[in-house]
Amino acid sequence: EVQLVESGGDLVQSGGSLRLSCAASGFTFSRHAMYWVRPAPGKGLEIVSVISTDGGSTYYADSVKGRFTISRDNSKNTLYLQMGSLRAEDTAMYYCTRDDGGGPFDHWGQGTLVTVSS
Amino acid sequence: EIVLTQSPDFQSVTPKEEVTITCRASQSIHSSLHWYQQKPEQSPKLLIKYASQSISGIPSRFSGSGSGTDFTLTINSLEAEDAATYYCHQSSSVPQTFGQGTKVEIK
Repeated sequence: EVQLVESGGDLVQSGGSLRLSCAASGFTFSRHAMYWVRPAPGKGLEIVSVISTDGGSTYYADSVKGRFTISRDNSKNTLYLQMGSLRAEDTAMYYCTRDDGGGPFDHWGQGTLVTVSS
Repeated sequence: EIVLTQSPDFQSVTPKEEVTITCRASQSIHSSLHWYQQKPEQSPKLLIKYASQSISGIPSRFSGSGSGTDFTLTINSLEAEDAATYYCHQSSSVPQTFGQGTKVEIK
């Protein structure tokens, strides 16, 4: 059974840092690009960051570029999101998900809540 | 960036009614359009992939259609458990994007 389990969410002050983790199991982690997704008020869901199978290619939404860093450890089947210079507008549930061969997101974690206080 | 616009934003429906949600893309995305259901306090769940392909374990009352720029999610004979927000998502080009969501409420 495919499982994605996020952790690391917390209450943090504006300007602070946080590292999210997503532990994967039940599939060959190294064969899937991985994503962090969050709700964006009035815009639905926002893809925050993406990382390729080997970690060699990454994407960041403009809203987090220069502040967040995505990484993965294929030996530990774990995805990470290092969040820095946090702002109130980063407050959200952060979901880890994988794509099904470059298409739909077929499995999602339960989410981890990040709250940034100003 | 491809913009996906869903309509309506909100729909209040009685059980057993049919629900239709549309998703319009700002440029052609062929059939690279997927639909998700998100209930309160839960993560999104994939309902339909590539515009019209069904997903194992999803009730047959959910169906999708369309190609190019115009897509539709149909829920036949709505059930109370279908109260949720529905999102479309395109994987045709980077960055991948979502629609703004359609909230379906049960009367």
